[in-house]
Order: sequence, then C-alpha cells, then structure tokens
Amino acid sequence: GQQLNQSPQSMFIQEGEDVSMNCTSSSIFNTWLWYKQEPGEGPVLLIALYKAGELTSNGRLTAQFGITRKDSFLNISASIPSDVGIYFCAGLYSGGGADGLTFGKGTHLIIQP
Amino acid sequence: ETGVTQSPTHLIKTRGQQVTLRCSSQSGHNTVSWYQQALGQGPQFIFQYYREEENGRGNFPPRFSGLQFPNYSSELNVNALELDDSALYLCASSLQPQGAIFTDTQYFGPGTRLTVL
Repeated sequence: GQQLNQSPQSMFIQEGEDVSMNCTSSSIFNTWLWYKQEPGEGPVLLIALYKAGELTSNGRLTAQFGITRKDSFLNISASIPSDVGIYFCAGLYSGGGADGLTFGKGTHLIIQP
Repeated sequence: ETGVTQSPTHLIKTRGQQVTLRCSSQSGHNTVSWYQQALGQGPQFIFQYYREEENGRGNFPPRFSGLQFPNYSSELNVNALELDDSALYLCASSLQPQGAIFTDTQYFGPGTRLTVL
C-alpha cells in the first residue's frame, strides 16, 4: 500500500527561526494536505494543495505540491511559541473508491526559549 | 473549530467488550471517515461512509463496523475489543458533490480516547 515518509521526525528550534519539513510517497496523490495536531485534540487543517506544482501560503506557512505528485513540503517562517505541535502531511488519491487519507508519522516541532 | 463533534471524549473498556463511538458531521457535509491514531503515530484510515453506505475500507478487520444516519451523523462500533485497540479515534467529515468521484477536504473532530484494559 501507499506509504508516506515524513521528515524530520522532530525539530528543536529557537523562536524566530524558519522551519522546513517534507513528505515523500511511493505513489502519486491527487491532493496533499498539511495538518497540525496538539495534545488531546484532532488534526487541524493548515493548507490544502490540489494541483501538481501548486504553491500555497497561509500566513507564515507555505506549502508546495511536488511536480511528480509524490512529494510535498511545508515551511513555517519566523516561528513563534504557538507553532509548537505535531505536523502531519496527508495524501489523498481519488481513484473512484473511498477517499481515505494516508498520513505521515508526523514532525514534532519544539521551540526552545 | 471545525464543527465536527465526537462523543464521548474518553472511554475505558475491558478486553472482549464492545464499544460505540459517535460523530456529528460539519453542517453541509455528507461524507464521514473514521481513523485510528495510536500513540506516536499518524492516523490510519478505517472506513468511509457516503449516503449511509460504506464507501471503502482500510486494513481493519470486520469487528470494526459503522453506520451513517440520514442526518449524516455516524457511529463506529468495535466488537471483541483487544488491547491494541487502545487509541484515539477520529472522525472527519467532508463534502462529496453529487456526481463527483472525489470528496473535498476532510475536517477532523477532537477524537475519542479509548483505553482497553
């Protein structure tokens, strides 16, 4: 089945630094999504990408849908304490069957004071 | 806030018991998906319901079953609970336009934390 490789697994950064994380897949996707999850809560959608090559921003967040449709990255600029959490990439292949998301294992972002 | 609600928030069961988890979709959404998230892992797709029928399934055994009601709310039922079923169970709602073969972006509820002893 499809698998997503998300890296890095964790990041320890200083407030104000930029962050970059990425996901690669063994198969193509039609949609890439980036979610953030905080302890005890469900994933919250940050950015949705629907077309190969698409570059989309949401405030300090920027994500891109890779041209090969097998990868995506998420950048966070000028990190602040509330950016702490686990970031998940998720791919969706809509082939006419059920549209279940395939998730990466997450990138745990920790901001050091 | 996504508008997707789940109940209960937490639940403790013993091995062999049965459990029912509930989800209320975001207004206007007609599709619901259920995911299992083990500690330290990403969510794993269990199944999806569209128009009250199972629309597809991930790699989960038949003792995981579900229902979707006319108001698009949903239930996840798990029979013969095992210790490994301990996890956060998430539902996600989305809109599948009529005639389309794909659903729009999925929005998650806060989850139900199930502990099996």
